[in-house]
Amino acid sequence: SQQGEEDPQALSIQEGENATMNCSYKTSINNLQWYRQNSGRGLVHLILIRSNEREKHSGRLRVTLDTSKKSSSLLITASRAADTASYFCATPYASGGSYIPTFGRGTSLIVHP
Amino acid sequence: DAGVIQSPRHEVTEMGQEVTLRCKPISGHDYLFWYRQTMMRGLELLIYFNNNVPIDDSGMPEDRFSAKMPNASFSTLKIQPSEPRDSAVYFCASSQGTGQNEQFFGPGTRLTVL
Repeated sequence: SQQGEEDPQALSIQEGENATMNCSYKTSINNLQWYRQNSGRGLVHLILIRSNEREKHSGRLRVTLDTSKKSSSLLITASRAADTASYFCATPYASGGSYIPTFGRGTSLIVHP
Repeated sequence: DAGVIQSPRHEVTEMGQEVTLRCKPISGHDYLFWYRQTMMRGLELLIYFNNNVPIDDSGMPEDRFSAKMPNASFSTLKIQPSEPRDSAVYFCASSQGTGQNEQFFGPGTRLTVL
């Protein structure tokens, strides 16, 4: 199945620094999504970027997509302790006539106050 | 809307017992997904429904697992008999459509099989 792989697996930074996470995937896609999971909670959708978009912003989040390299990055600027969470990319997988998001293993981000 | 509701939040059972996990999707969402999350395997899609009909159950690990969706507002995931390797967090998610539609996840059920 199509599955993105996040890199790095773990990231530890100080509050105020920027955090960058990467996602690589294997086959052509028409969109890619990023989700966040706080400890002990379900995943929460952050942002979707379409294949015809190179960059997208939402608050302190900036997502890029390079379809030629089959990769995406998620940048969190001026990180806060509350950004501590795992971050997942999700890429579409063809199943039963639909396209279902499939998730990588995630990047665990720790932001130290 | 209260979001996706799952129950129980925690379940501890002994090997061989039957376990039933429950999910109420967001009203109006026509897709419902069951996932399992473990450290070893990450987040795995077990099965998903469209308009209460199971579409793809290729992720269900074995015959001990079954899922039903008797109506648009309720789904169950049953494990019978349970085994220690079934210990994981099970998530239910719902969405309006697929493709570019975001999924809304429930809080999960943490299952421990002793």
